[in-house]
Amino acid sequence: DVKVTQSSRYLVKRTGEKVFLECVQDMDHENMFWYRQDPGLGLRLIYFSYDVKMKEKGDIPEGYSVSREKKERFSLILESASTNQTSMYLCASSFQGVGEKLFFGSGTQLSVL
Amino acid sequence: GQQLNQSPQSMFIQEGEDVSMNCTSSSIFNTWLWYKQDPGEGPVLLIALYKAGELTSNGRLTAQFGITRKDSFLNISASIPSDVGIYFCAGQLYSNYQLIWGAGTKLIIKP
Repeated sequence: DVKVTQSSRYLVKRTGEKVFLECVQDMDHENMFWYRQDPGLGLRLIYFSYDVKMKEKGDIPEGYSVSREKKERFSLILESASTNQTSMYLCASSFQGVGEKLFFGSGTQLSVL
Repeated sequence: GQQLNQSPQSMFIQEGEDVSMNCTSSSIFNTWLWYKQDPGEGPVLLIALYKAGELTSNGRLTAQFGITRKDSFLNISASIPSDVGIYFCAGQLYSNYQLIWGAGTKLIIKP
């Protein structure tokens, strides 16, 4: 089975802190994604990557950056956390040829106080 | 960004009832997907549809790719307690292969 592992299930941070969310997948997938999930808004794409060191902005990249130094690992960075970034963050991965079939991690619930 | 119109937002049903939900858009899609998210977990793919008019089943779940390529439907027959969760539709745009998500349908089963 494909496994997408997010480093933390719950995180509490203070406004202005730099926050790192880590994601690792074990199936040699080319594509990796970061989404945020808010009630009533569904899943919104923050950033995605289709190869090592490659990144593309999604629908809501402002306030976020990403890093993909290794194929299996995709990190989401909040440079200066703000309260409106309190949300559930979901990492996902997929094969290049079937990019629509996403495998998700269990999510990180981030609270920014 | 774009979003699909998914309805209903939530459903309160009795165990054993059938459930229907749908997603619509003004855009054309070449793929429709239905995911389910259990509480505390990430979404898991239930059904993928690739052809207009296609009807696909996965156990008690049946999904259809609308003939206009602008909508999709998911039906769950004889609901059971483990069906609770949030169901998301997602469509891959014909124009640029971007994946667009619905806001989700929360299914709650009344005791």
